[in-house]
Amino acid sequence: DQQVKQNSPSLSVQEGRISILNCDYTNSMFDYFLWYKKYPAEGPTFLISISSIKDKNEDGRFTVFLNKSAKHLSLHIVPSQPGDSAVYFCAAVYSGAGSYQLTFGKGTKLSVIP
Amino acid sequence: EAGVAQSPRYKIIEKRQSVAFWCNPISGHATLYWYQQILGQGPKLLIQFQNNGVVDDSQLPKDRFSAERLKGVDSTLKIQPAKLEDSAVYLCASSYINSGNTIYFGEGSWLTVV
Repeated sequence: DQQVKQNSPSLSVQEGRISILNCDYTNSMFDYFLWYKKYPAEGPTFLISISSIKDKNEDGRFTVFLNKSAKHLSLHIVPSQPGDSAVYFCAAVYSGAGSYQLTFGKGTKLSVIP
Repeated sequence: EAGVAQSPRYKIIEKRQSVAFWCNPISGHATLYWYQQILGQGPKLLIQFQNNGVVDDSQLPKDRFSAERLKGVDSTLKIQPAKLEDSAVYLCASSYINSGNTIYFGEGSWLTVV
């Protein structure tokens, strides 16, 4: 039972355009949502997060939107750059019982074409 | 600030052999996680420590996997005996207590079981 789903395994975008990566979840008890970026042969790097009580968080070129009613979040990258080419993981945090459990999606491979 | 350190980076062993991975979290981070990432999938939590106590090990295959964090800092993950399906990247991550929205990963230890 996948609680966090990234239904697009891959995405190609032209440099300078907007990249939109999507993520759906099933558990309404998640407290935070995080996006991680992963280059080959490296560990995931934290990118941006959003609390479940917010609907938008912005950090430079990266914006995450949360639609709680639809149990959907998205990461927008504007403008996209070739260095953004990586696998992006959506993750959700549940903090019940005082521990923080992080559940990941399967990832979306973003290719930004120069 | 130094990141999460892991070693070895790469390991190839034969099935039924044993292997151990070491992790040193970011200084001051009380919570430590071990994740398993199989190719094409998102990271899956194996075990979570808070200081030197286990918070969650529900997905750890305890017949062959063990982990410890004796002094509340470094941690070791052991697999004995290894199976072919254990081939994966083993990721260590850490965070402050009550900081589920910011979890930092190491570069991972890549295991191939042949």
